[in-house]
Amino acid sequence: DAGVIQSPRHEVTEMGQEVTLRCKPISGHNSLFWYRQTMMRGLELLIYFNNNVPIDDSGMPEDRFSAKMPNASFSTLKIQPSEPRDSAVYFCASSSRTGNTGELFFGEGSRLTVL
Amino acid sequence: SQKIEQNSEALNIQEGKTATLTCNYTNYSPAYLQWYRQDPGRGPVFLLLIRENEKEKRKERLKVTFDTTLKQSLFHITASQPADSATYLCALAMDSNYQLIWGAGTKLIIKP
Repeated sequence: DAGVIQSPRHEVTEMGQEVTLRCKPISGHNSLFWYRQTMMRGLELLIYFNNNVPIDDSGMPEDRFSAKMPNASFSTLKIQPSEPRDSAVYFCASSSRTGNTGELFFGEGSRLTVL
Repeated sequence: SQKIEQNSEALNIQEGKTATLTCNYTNYSPAYLQWYRQDPGRGPVFLLLIRENEKEKRKERLKVTFDTTLKQSLFHITASQPADSATYLCALAMDSNYQLIWGAGTKLIIKP
């Protein structure tokens, strides 16, 4: 059974460019999370969707970040314009349970470098 | 302020010994606590979940304890192997809250 699939695995871009990260959750999972991981701040929740609806986006750093989940099998995280401080590993995770009552299944992450 | 603390320095253990990792928290009353393993360049992988009314949970060579009085969880790996070397993350979950609060992780190194 395929796990959470993220693309691209690596992205190097220049400041000011638009970045789009993609995620395909595990089929049947109704919760989807976008996280950012850095050495300084660890894992930070950016946004949580339940049944394709954004429930909490309070972790989204600023208006440059946006996320969508048009259907149960696809989500995107977009950064426009990108800045060097956005460099991090971005993880998508899904769960079959609402909220945090079950285990999270993480993708392999998208490593973003903004020059 | 609310805080989760894990051993900040790497933990070096001899193969075959028991590795014990600590997760301490302050100013939380978590309903659940989860442990994950993360290898370099990979996403975290779920290991165990323990609820506030459970004192201990086991899974093969893994054991987790949860002491709500001490505000601490201990994660044990018995008969440790070099393949157990990884970073281990603890995460707290509040009841009816969808956001996990994550520790910074402890890097475990098992030496042959």
